Amino acid sequence: DGGITQSPKYLFRKEGQNVTLSCEQNLNHDAMYWYRQDPGQGLRLIYYSQIVNDFQKGDIAEGYSVSREKKESFPLTVTSAQKNPTAFYLCASSTPGTSGGYEQYFGPGTRLTVT
Amino acid sequence: QKEVEQNSGPLSVPEGAIASLNCTYSDRGSQSFFWYRQYSGKSPELIMFIYSNGDKEDGRFTAQLNKASQYVSLLIRDSQPSDSATYLCAVRKSAGGGNKLTFGTGTQLKVEL
Repeated sequence: DGGITQSPKYLFRKEGQNVTLSCEQNLNHDAMYWYRQDPGQGLRLIYYSQIVNDFQKGDIAEGYSVSREKKESFPLTVTSAQKNPTAFYLCASSTPGTSGGYEQYFGPGTRLTVT
Repeated sequence: QKEVEQNSGPLSVPEGAIASLNCTYSDRGSQSFFWYRQYSGKSPELIMFIYSNGDKEDGRFTAQLNKASQYVSLLIRDSQPSDSATYLCAVRKSAGGGNKLTFGTGTQLKVEL
């Protein structure tokens, strides 16, 4: 089955620790994205990557880092510099598609709680 | 002005009725428009997308786009309790820019028995 996997589903960390969230896709999509969602809010873009070994900052990149060494994988590291890391983190991927629309498909998400 | 605006709701409709969800956007050069459904605690699921002015139908769902008014809507016919969720509108702006999507904050829909 093709899809996007994120692990773990729930993650708990102590303040001051870095944590890496996994995102893997087997859809053969070129582009991948990381979003964060806070209660009652929409999705905010953290980082995105259009191709292997290249990525760009989104709207809220401070305190986060990413890598894109393989087409299938786009891990996100939440560093201790991120002031409010507790959130629902969503990974997505996209491809031009038959209509060239670049519709994005989401993984199941990782809920991170930092105390 | 927010780039993508939605009424947060909740929008309550009786079972079997038509639910109408609305979204406005600020960038006149926006090219593609998407509707996602998000159940509580779950990730967004793509329902449908539209690029051209007019209507696009897929089963019980119809997306309507009016670029002149910068307005896109989603109609859900014969609403079912399982349609109760938050509906997110997303817009892909002008060409380039990594094909990023900008999301609205979502409209909560409640379908009542």
